[in-house]
Amino acid sequence: NAGVMQNPRHLVRRRGQEARLRCSPMKGHSHVYWYRQLPEEGLKFMVYLQKENIIDESGMPKERFSAEFPKEGPSILRIQQVVRGDSAAYFCASSPFGTGYGYTFGSGTRLTVV
Amino acid sequence: DQQVKQNSPSLSVQEGRISILNCDYTNSMFDYFLWYKKYPAEGPTFLISISSIKDKNEDGRFTVFLNKSAKHLSLHIVPSQPGDSAVYFCAAFKNANSKLTFGKGITLSVRP
Repeated sequence: NAGVMQNPRHLVRRRGQEARLRCSPMKGHSHVYWYRQLPEEGLKFMVYLQKENIIDESGMPKERFSAEFPKEGPSILRIQQVVRGDSAAYFCASSPFGTGYGYTFGSGTRLTVV
Repeated sequence: DQQVKQNSPSLSVQEGRISILNCDYTNSMFDYFLWYKKYPAEGPTFLISISSIKDKNEDGRFTVFLNKSAKHLSLHIVPSQPGDSAVYFCAAFKNANSKLTFGKGITLSVRP
């Protein structure tokens, strides 16, 4: 049973381009979470999704960021018109429960904006 | 607004000795506290947790202590091993929602 798969592992984008980060949850996990880790910081919650629903997006920046978890396929975190301040490690986690327990994190996508 | 604080950025201990990692929190509504371990270029992995109604939880070499009146918890690792060298994050959540609030992490180095 594969763990949480994130791709790409590394992504370089020029300012103004779009970044798409993908996350495939563990088999049987229907809850997906995205976290961002800025340099020298802890992980910050961004968004919580279930299939075809955004449950909590209180940590998402108001503009340029969006997330989805379609009925089929991976969850996508999309960042439009990237800026240097978006450079960070983005971690996805999945859980079989809708609580803070049972998270399994992926290895992350390191986004670098040049 | 940092609700979970890890004020020491790093800790170095000798192999075989005890490592004590500290964490403070400000939100008295947290129901659970967790510790995660993270190696470079990997995601965090769950280590141990404690409910807010408990004051101690032990799992092998790892013990977490919770002092609710001081809003403080600590992770004890004994004996420490070189493989324990990693970044340790303290995290917390409320039963009402499932998002984790993390501290900034502490880098533990265990010297052989």
